[in-house]
Amino acid sequence: ETGVTQTPRHLVMGMTNKKSLKCEQHLGHNAMYWYKQSAKKPLELMFVYNFKEQTENNSVPSRFSPECPNSSHLFLHLHTLQPEDSALYLCASSQDIENLANYGYTFGSGTRLTVV
Amino acid sequence: GQNIDQPTEMTATEGAIVQINCTYQTSGFNGLFWYQQHAGEAPTFLSYNVLDGLEEKGRFSSFLSRSKGYSYLLLKELQMKDSASYLCAVMDSNYQLIWGAGTKLIIKP
Repeated sequence: ETGVTQTPRHLVMGMTNKKSLKCEQHLGHNAMYWYKQSAKKPLELMFVYNFKEQTENNSVPSRFSPECPNSSHLFLHLHTLQPEDSALYLCASSQDIENLANYGYTFGSGTRLTVV
Repeated sequence: GQNIDQPTEMTATEGAIVQINCTYQTSGFNGLFWYQQHAGEAPTFLSYNVLDGLEEKGRFSSFLSRSKGYSYLLLKELQMKDSASYLCAVMDSNYQLIWGAGTKLIIKP
């Protein structure tokens, strides 16, 4: 258990479906992130929330919609996805910059998404 | 543009030593991270270097040369459980993490 919990672990959805990914952390961290990880590619930052406010939207298509109701929970709402959106979606959290040297980012185990 | 380069795949023998290199070109530098990721699992934090030199943590060491835009992760006394992907990431001047594609390390008996 990494301290960051993601559900579901696996998700198969059709291109017309609507689904949501959930991320939860009880580490007392103030920042939360969504990353996309595709095979043999670098991690792609999608969204950043700091103290529940979105501070980064890395040119992500509108079919991905994040929600951060509080500093412990982060959602990624999905609708009308494309097959190329199939990937591992990772959630991460961090406390603040001063603590990155010791702890870095804490990642969840990810949701393996397959769009059919 | 910003770029992180690391080898795609490496193979080493159990009990041996392996060095995984990472070179970077980024807009500013606020530190370099190494993460380990086993298949199907979360990346886990290994090390953080912001000053030049070698940092040692048990069997793992990480080296940084800022003037050369270069780092390496050194793994000693390799064990089968070290088979994983190793991710290099640099924090740029905006405190954004720039990631490499990862190096898949295969350990053979």
